[in-house]
Amino acid sequence: DGGITQSPKYLFRKEGQNVTLSCEQNLNHDAMYWYRQDPGQGLRLIYYSQIVNDFQKGDIAEGYSVSREKKESFPLTVTSAQKNPTAFYLCASSIYINSYEQYFGPGTRLTVT
Amino acid sequence: AQKITQTQPGMFVQEKEAVTLDCTYDTSDPSYGLFWYKQPSSGEMIFLIYQGSYDQQNATEGRYSLNFQKARKSANLVISASQLGDSAMYFCAMREGAGGYQKVTFGTGTKLQVIP
Repeated sequence: DGGITQSPKYLFRKEGQNVTLSCEQNLNHDAMYWYRQDPGQGLRLIYYSQIVNDFQKGDIAEGYSVSREKKESFPLTVTSAQKNPTAFYLCASSIYINSYEQYFGPGTRLTVT
Repeated sequence: AQKITQTQPGMFVQEKEAVTLDCTYDTSDPSYGLFWYKQPSSGEMIFLIYQGSYDQQNATEGRYSLNFQKARKSANLVISASQLGDSAMYFCAMREGAGGYQKVTFGTGTKLQVIP
């Protein structure tokens, strides 16, 4: 089955530690995205990637980093510089960067204490 | 000003009845698109329906239809014949611009609960 996988579903970390969230897609999509969702709020864009080896900052990139070394993979690192890292993180992909339909993964809930 | 406004934090609907979820938007870009996504308690966002700003007809996808009123800047989602599985959060979103990356803004969502 084609789709997007994010692992793990739940992640717990101590404050001050970097943590990497994985996102893999087998849809052969060029574009990938990372969103953050906080309670009572909509999604906010962290980073997006139009194509392999390219990525751009979204609205709330501070304290996060990404890489896009393979078409299928777009991992997100939450660094210790991110002041409020506890949130629900969603990865998405689309065929091209200007395709309107984005396909989402199941999300990772990160808790930092 | 908010780009996307969903004024109903929560809604109840009786099973088999129709329900309308409100969404208003704000943009000065002539080229834009409006989406609705469903988010069940499992967390995954599920694409439901899309309406482009130049589309003449209201979009429909099965039991979902988008009531697009351009002059009023509204893009309400209508779900007909509600089912228990429709209970979820619903998000309205808008993309602006044409070509390359088009910024997508999400609303704060409406929690729909379908009552048996």
